[in-house]
Amino acid sequence: AQSVTQLDSHVSVSEGTPVLLRCNYSSSYSPSLFWYVQHPNKGLQLLLKYTSAATLVKGINGFEAEFKKSETSFHLTKPSAHMSDAAEYFCVVSEGTGRRALTFGSGTRLQVQP
Amino acid sequence: NAGVTQTPKFRILKIGQSMTLQCTQDMNHNYMYWYRQDPGMGLKLIYYSVGAGITDKGEVPNGYNVSRSTTEDFPLRLELAAPSQTSVYFCASSQVGDSEQYFGPGTRLTVT
Repeated sequence: AQSVTQLDSHVSVSEGTPVLLRCNYSSSYSPSLFWYVQHPNKGLQLLLKYTSAATLVKGINGFEAEFKKSETSFHLTKPSAHMSDAAEYFCVVSEGTGRRALTFGSGTRLQVQP
Repeated sequence: NAGVTQTPKFRILKIGQSMTLQCTQDMNHNYMYWYRQDPGMGLKLIYYSVGAGITDKGEVPNGYNVSRSTTEDFPLRLELAAPSQTSVYFCASSQVGDSEQYFGPGTRLTVT
């Protein structure tokens, strides 16, 4: 069965400093991996996705993530945080369709200090 | 192209009441999903559908029912509302089963 662990429930950075949100996954197959962002009182928006092509994936708003099979990790990074990046971030794994379509991590709340 | 729309945005129910949460997508997606999000948690799958007339249970289906009579619509029915169903409900759709899902803005439901 697939599962996702987001290692930090809350991360606080200063504006202009790097962002690292950590995600480990467990999967019996070759999974697809996603990062979604949720701004307060909003729906979820896809940041980026990995589907077995390049291991370094670039997403929107300057975010990127690296798929490391040996470490079963898919950490999200951004070189320089912006105030508008403050939101909840979800790491998500997909092993297939239907009930296994998406399994969500519990989320990491990113706080950006001025 | 509105994407995925949900109504209502907010609702307060009394224990034992029933209601239907509406979800419509205009992207001609085959797959549709209902999730609930409890405070501080990720999303949990309630029900999903792979096409009109076909639905199946997700991780937390108890207390809910769905139907899929058209490609566009996927309503979620709550029968005999309970306080444990207080949550934010998201509808989503995707073209194929393991591809990106597009989410609606959510319905915040309180049962008192």
